[in-house]
Amino acid sequence: EAGVTQFPSHSVIEKGQTVTLRCDPISGHDNLYWYRRVMGKEIKFLLHFVKESKQDESGMPNNRFLAERTGGTYSTLKVQPAELEDSGVYFCASSRKLIWGLAGVADTQYFGPGTRLTVL
Amino acid sequence: QQQVKQSPQSLIVQKGGISIINCAYENTAFDYFPWYQQFPGKGPALLIAIRPDVSEKKEGRFTISFNKSAKQFSLHIMDSQPGDSATYFCAAANDYKLSFGAGTTVTVRA
Repeated sequence: EAGVTQFPSHSVIEKGQTVTLRCDPISGHDNLYWYRRVMGKEIKFLLHFVKESKQDESGMPNNRFLAERTGGTYSTLKVQPAELEDSGVYFCASSRKLIWGLAGVADTQYFGPGTRLTVL
Repeated sequence: QQQVKQSPQSLIVQKGGISIINCAYENTAFDYFPWYQQFPGKGPALLIAIRPDVSEKKEGRFTISFNKSAKQFSLHIMDSQPGDSATYFCAAANDYKLSFGAGTTVTVRA
């Protein structure tokens, strides 16, 4: 089974430019999550998709960030325009079921290798 | 505000020694406490997890101890091996949303 893949692995852009990060979840995983780790701090939740629908985007920093999930498959996270504080590692994760869903069974979130974004 | 506080930031242990990482949380709504292990260039991978109705869970050389009243939990790595050198993240979840600690970089010296 192929794991979660992310592209690109690294991106270096100038402040004010636009960057689009892509995530391909594990096939069959309806749940897709974006997280971000900034400057060696904690990994923070950004948003959660169930199939193509955004279920929770409470962690999105501001309206410069836009996430989409076309057809419930891959997802993109666009930052426009990028600011210095957006630098960090962006992780995508996917799971079959919600953690601690109605069945009371936790399902693992599988993480991709991350995209390291540097805004200069 | 950081919902899960993790310490230490880094630790060095000799091969065969015990590594201990501690985490504390405030939100009593958390009901799932996983630990993730991350190697350089890779994403975090689930290592072991515990529910709050259990005080301890052991899988191989890895043990989670959970103290619900103190709102603290810890990871013990017994007989640490060089291959255990990685960054470890504790986390807490209420439903789907994981709240992570800041991570602990563990270095095991041969």
